[in-house]
Amino acid sequence: GEDVEQSLFLSVREGDSSVINCTYTDSSSTYLYWYKQEPGAGLQLLTYIFSNMDMKQDQRLTVLLNKKDKHLSLRIADTQTGDSAIYFCAESIGDYKLSFGAGTTVTVRA
Amino acid sequence: DSGVTQTPKHLITATGQRVTLRCSPRSGDLSVYWYQQSLDQGLQFLIQYYNGEERAKGNILERFSAQQFPDLHSELNLSSLELGDSALYFCASSPGGVATNEKLFFGSGTQLSVL
Repeated sequence: GEDVEQSLFLSVREGDSSVINCTYTDSSSTYLYWYKQEPGAGLQLLTYIFSNMDMKQDQRLTVLLNKKDKHLSLRIADTQTGDSAIYFCAESIGDYKLSFGAGTTVTVRA
Repeated sequence: DSGVTQTPKHLITATGQRVTLRCSPRSGDLSVYWYQQSLDQGLQFLIQYYNGEERAKGNILERFSAQQFPDLHSELNLSSLELGDSALYFCASSPGGVATNEKLFFGSGTQLSVL
């Protein structure tokens, strides 16, 4: 099946770490992605992880993948006000499309 | 700027009408994807075209159709519009397909309001 689930909201204090969680269902997904959507804009690819990896770090972003539990997380270190956005988890389905979660709205408070 | 252009940015129309949304992919990209984003359904994949041919179909209603032209731009046609069709429609493009982990580049979307 194609069902990606995320919590809908996350509030974090500026300077703290944010952790956004996601579960997916297709065990054959080759790649898993995190996209960011700022107000009035399209989705922008933040990072991705290949399914045979456990972790990927890219500057302030750390992606953890637990393939056994089909759980993906995105950690943003030293969260800034510019990180306020909607974050989408997505899995590749077959060869031709991505299935997205509903998105987690991250609000960074001072 | 992602390089993907969608027009119009906003569209207001009435129930029963028909509209056409247009997308120009990034230069050199052969694949175009259409997604619908609504509050209750989230981001739903509608359809993908690759070099003029339909490649994959998602949750696209029969009232909706799409095509990709020889110059690679794409149009999404929505007919017999209903209130529930109000949503943000995104187009994305990539060089080929997601099988090779190509990034999808999204346009800014067309906000459709059906009154």
